[in-house]
Amino acid sequence: AQSVTQLDSHVSVSEGTPVLLRCNYSSSYSPSLFWYVQHPNKGLQLLLKYTSAATLVKGINGFEAEFKKSETSFHLTKPSAHMSDAAEYFCVVSSASPGYNFNKFYFGSGTKLNVKP
Amino acid sequence: AAGVIQSPRHLIKEKRETATLKCYPIPRHDTVYWYQQGPGQDPQFLISFYEKMQSDKGSIPDRFSAQQFSDYHSELNMSSLELGDSALYFCASSLNGGAADTQYFGPGTRLTVL
Repeated sequence: AQSVTQLDSHVSVSEGTPVLLRCNYSSSYSPSLFWYVQHPNKGLQLLLKYTSAATLVKGINGFEAEFKKSETSFHLTKPSAHMSDAAEYFCVVSSASPGYNFNKFYFGSGTKLNVKP
Repeated sequence: AAGVIQSPRHLIKEKRETATLKCYPIPRHDTVYWYQQGPGQDPQFLISFYEKMQSDKGSIPDRFSAQQFSDYHSELNMSSLELGDSALYFCASSLNGGAADTQYFGPGTRLTVL
């Protein structure tokens, strides 16, 4: 079974300080992992994804995430927060069982990032 | 670049009415997914289609049905609407539905049931 746990429902940082959004996953098979961002009243935009290549994944807008199999984690980081980063972030796991080709996304409950001036 | 198109963007219906949501995937994408995001909730998978056939089914109520057409667009039909159906409905598309495929999301249709 696949599942995702986002450890913080709300994170508040000051502009220019680092961002850390935590995500732990559970998957019966080799997972693909994604981070999406959702600005208010907007759709979901892909930030980055991990698909068993390099464990450190770089995404858009200066975000990156590191896949740690031993810790079953895929935390999202950014060295310096910008006001425009204020949004909700979803960690997603996708995996297909052997012989079953179609994926299905399992979303975490989301982390709302607040950036203070 | 072309993105996923959803229509309408907003829809208001009365209880027990029907609603049809449409999704136009990115060109050359043959897999479509539907998700429901209730207020303050994370998106929940409803159903997916690959090459016009249903490929997977999630927590979709029996009152809802969906299909994918020959041009790969998809429609979600919702009948006997209930207040609890009020939500943001997302459609996503991917190139061929593989486990590592990125799903590209549309802007969503906000359905309000009064």
